[in-house]
Amino acid sequence: QVQLVESGGGVVQPGRSLRLSCAASGFSFSSYGMHWVRQAPGKGLEWVAVIWFDGSSKYYADSVKGRFTISRDNSKNTLYLQMNSLRAEDTAVYYCARATKLGATPIDYWGQGTLVTVSS
Amino acid sequence: QSALTQPASVSGSPGQSITISCTGTSSDVGTYNLVSWYQQHPGKAPKLMIYEGSKRPSGVSNRFSGSKSGNTASLTISGLQAEDEADYYCCSYAGSSTYVFGTGTKVTVL
Repeated sequence: QVQLVESGGGVVQPGRSLRLSCAASGFSFSSYGMHWVRQAPGKGLEWVAVIWFDGSSKYYADSVKGRFTISRDNSKNTLYLQMNSLRAEDTAVYYCARATKLGATPIDYWGQGTLVTVSS
Repeated sequence: QSALTQPASVSGSPGQSITISCTGTSSDVGTYNLVSWYQQHPGKAPKLMIYEGSKRPSGVSNRFSGSKSGNTASLTISGLQAEDEADYYCCSYAGSSTYVFGTGTKVTVL
């Protein structure tokens, strides 16, 4: 079955960087687009970024554009989110999620999430 | 993009039907037939309930159905059960390979 396991969350100071990872298993990782979605404490879901199956195309929400970078290593079945210049408003649970097909298609499966707290 | 608009809460008694609306614009819901609905129980990851507006993934109860009219998509839960109590989010493709979620609706089973 599809499994997505995020890691790398923690407490980080404003302005610093953090890299999240998502280990995928149970499906052919290199054949699917992948998303990152976040959820601030007690708030709703916010789409963050998507990457095509081969990493050739990447798209971002305006709120993170220029600060966050999505990437993948298909040889390791792993998705990444590099987060730079972090702000307090980036505090959230970050979910890794699979797209239904190889491009920027909707989400069908989600990981359990990893919490990022930006605080001094 | 601005979040899609959902009612903050909807409630119903067991066995009743409820409908959750999701209002967007002609740039998202109104143009693309790519609205998904997700169920999220407290402390858990979201789960796909409806995709492409009205399609149900394998394993999802047929008590869940989706539809769309103009800029508004809807999720209907019929035969409401205690286990349906959760938060529900719509999500629409918004063009240029981007997506937008709804504000979320808390469903309470009375």
